[in-house]
Amino acid sequence: EAGVTQSPTHLIKTRGQQATLRCSPISGHTSVYWYQQALGLGLQFLLWYDEGEERNRGNFPPRFSGRQFPNYSSELNVNALELEDSALYLCASSLQRYTEAFFGQGTRLTVV
Amino acid sequence: DAKTTQPNSMESNEEEPVHLPCNHSTISGTDYIHWYRQLPSQGPEYVIHGLTSNVNNRMASLAIAEDRKSSTLILHRATLRDAAVYYCILSSPLLNRDDKIIFGKGTRLHILP
Repeated sequence: EAGVTQSPTHLIKTRGQQATLRCSPISGHTSVYWYQQALGLGLQFLLWYDEGEERNRGNFPPRFSGRQFPNYSSELNVNALELEDSALYLCASSLQRYTEAFFGQGTRLTVV
Repeated sequence: DAKTTQPNSMESNEEEPVHLPCNHSTISGTDYIHWYRQLPSQGPEYVIHGLTSNVNNRMASLAIAEDRKSSTLILHRATLRDAAVYYCILSSPLLNRDDKIIFGKGTRLHILP
């Protein structure tokens, strides 16, 4: 069974541009979580989607947004990119709210 | 803010048991205790979780204090491949719970050959 897949693996953007990151959860999982991990730091909670709705978001500005599609895949959009947005963005999925979560390998976003 | 407190780092010798502590003094009755680990250059992976009773799986054991305000992840025989950052988090299956699923800074476990 395929795990959580994220695309692209790496993404390089210039400051001010927009980035779109994608996540496909494990089949049957309805909850998707997004985290940001800056180099050498811990995971910062970004967004949680469940059954197509945004359930909660972390302390990030509105230019970080996303959505969950009917097939439960998800997109994270980052507008007006800033240099400090450079980080590893991790997506995780779970079968139900707060049960065991499975993480993807992440998208490395570099803003230059 | 993270609801759990863990030591920043720990060291252990290879092939010896490792006990990783976690304090969660504000745990609620419905919070499950989850442990994840993140190996270098990889996404986090699930290790184990429990509610009240001690739990065992092929990776580790989880010992939960009687008052549930602390827990210990036990790696019975550490190998070099166990070197990682270990995260202890609380999560609840309650609906409408304002829980941001916070990961703390975790414990960086160093295994000495």
